[in-house]
Amino acid sequence: GQQLNQSPQSMFIQEGEDVSMNCTSSSIFNTWLWYKQDPGEGPVLLIALYKAGELTSNGRLTAQFGITRKDSFLNISASIPSDVGIYFCAGQLASDMRFGAGTRLTVKP
Amino acid sequence: DVKVTQSSRYLVKRTGEKVFLECVQDMDHENMFWYRQDPGLGLRLIYFSYDVKMKEKGDIPEGYSVSREKKERFSLILESASTNQTSMYLCASSFGSSGQETQYFGPGTRLLVL
Repeated sequence: GQQLNQSPQSMFIQEGEDVSMNCTSSSIFNTWLWYKQDPGEGPVLLIALYKAGELTSNGRLTAQFGITRKDSFLNISASIPSDVGIYFCAGQLASDMRFGAGTRLTVKP
Repeated sequence: DVKVTQSSRYLVKRTGEKVFLECVQDMDHENMFWYRQDPGLGLRLIYFSYDVKMKEKGDIPEGYSVSREKKERFSLILESASTNQTSMYLCASSFGSSGQETQYFGPGTRLLVL
């Protein structure tokens, strides 16, 4: 099945900078999820979005469910070194869940 | 908190060996999933199960089988391991059937097939 288009593939930023990444699809979804994965670990859920247009925050993280239901973005404000990891999106429609390939974030102190 | 555990964090097997990867969740979730994760390809669904003794093929079931004898346990089986099955394997579980269930992941098993 078609996976999601996630960009950028990687980011190198300075501590304190804001970060933005997004996912797009040719298909619509009812749910958008954002996960973070640390090296050698399983993905951990950051934010879940269930409604088109929904904007949800979790601390320094903010994510939005696109109005068209075909996209979502994740913003991280004032990045810190522990934000390092791979972030990836997931879109779900009924029993079908698709994943982005991930954005690898590196934060330089 | 949801807890999904996987029996091994790292495994090294030889080509042709039969490999069992075990996953257990403690939240009475109906739905369980097995994915493999490879660089640049993201997560790809191998098999999933919506109930005990039920299984459905995902996107890449070839070379794999699964077993769900108990609700909390979902096993992935590589009948005859091959080098192209070297990967990170992730198990996930979710509750409900609304189509908006959040999947919770285990820590992963990194399998190397020599």
